[in-house]
Amino acid sequence: GNSVTQMEGPVTLSEEAFLTINCTYTATGYPSLFWYVQYPGEGLQLLLKATKADDKGSNKGFEATYRKETTSFHLEKGSVQVSDSAVYFCALRPLRAQKLVFGQGTRLTINP
Amino acid sequence: NAGVTQTPKFRVLKTGQSMTLLCAQDMNHEYMYWYRQDPGMGLRLIHYSVGEGTTAKGEVPDGYNVSRLKKQNFLLGLESAAPSQTSVYFCASSQLERTSGRYEQYFGPGTRLTVT
Repeated sequence: GNSVTQMEGPVTLSEEAFLTINCTYTATGYPSLFWYVQYPGEGLQLLLKATKADDKGSNKGFEATYRKETTSFHLEKGSVQVSDSAVYFCALRPLRAQKLVFGQGTRLTINP
Repeated sequence: NAGVTQTPKFRVLKTGQSMTLLCAQDMNHEYMYWYRQDPGMGLRLIHYSVGEGTTAKGEVPDGYNVSRLKKQNFLLGLESAAPSQTSVYFCASSQLERTSGRYEQYFGPGTRLTVT
């Protein structure tokens, strides 16, 4: 079946620290991969995505590379800010499906 | 564009009561979804719709019903609420762009439901 596993949270970092949130997946075929972000009290917003192997998605200083050989899509940012505090969800869209499968989410807190 | 809106934002129910959550989207999307979000469990798909007049079960459909009488609206009903249905409910919509293959889900702000 299709599933997404994210690193357990919560994650707490200081401002300007380097961020990695791990995400691995299980899927048949070649899914599309996504990172969504949920700020406090809001719905989810698409942060970045990649649709094929070796694609790199990027947005707002965040990056993630679709690694087929390790079935991973780790989220990285070189220097986090307090405003990056949120819950981050990794998700996949199975090939030809019109729905997403989400990981459990990772809560990130950035301290000034 | 308002995007995806949800009504109400908060609701408290007693066990056994019924209610309907309304989701509306103004992007002319074909696909709509209802999720629930629980701590440590991410988002789980309850029901979804691939077009007006269609519905399908997701991962956790028991205890919920849905209807999509109009393309822009997707209703989620709880006929007899249980404490296990205490959760935050999110609606989303999407469109598959057939020429580009682009696909993205757009989410509403959520409804926080408490069942006592």
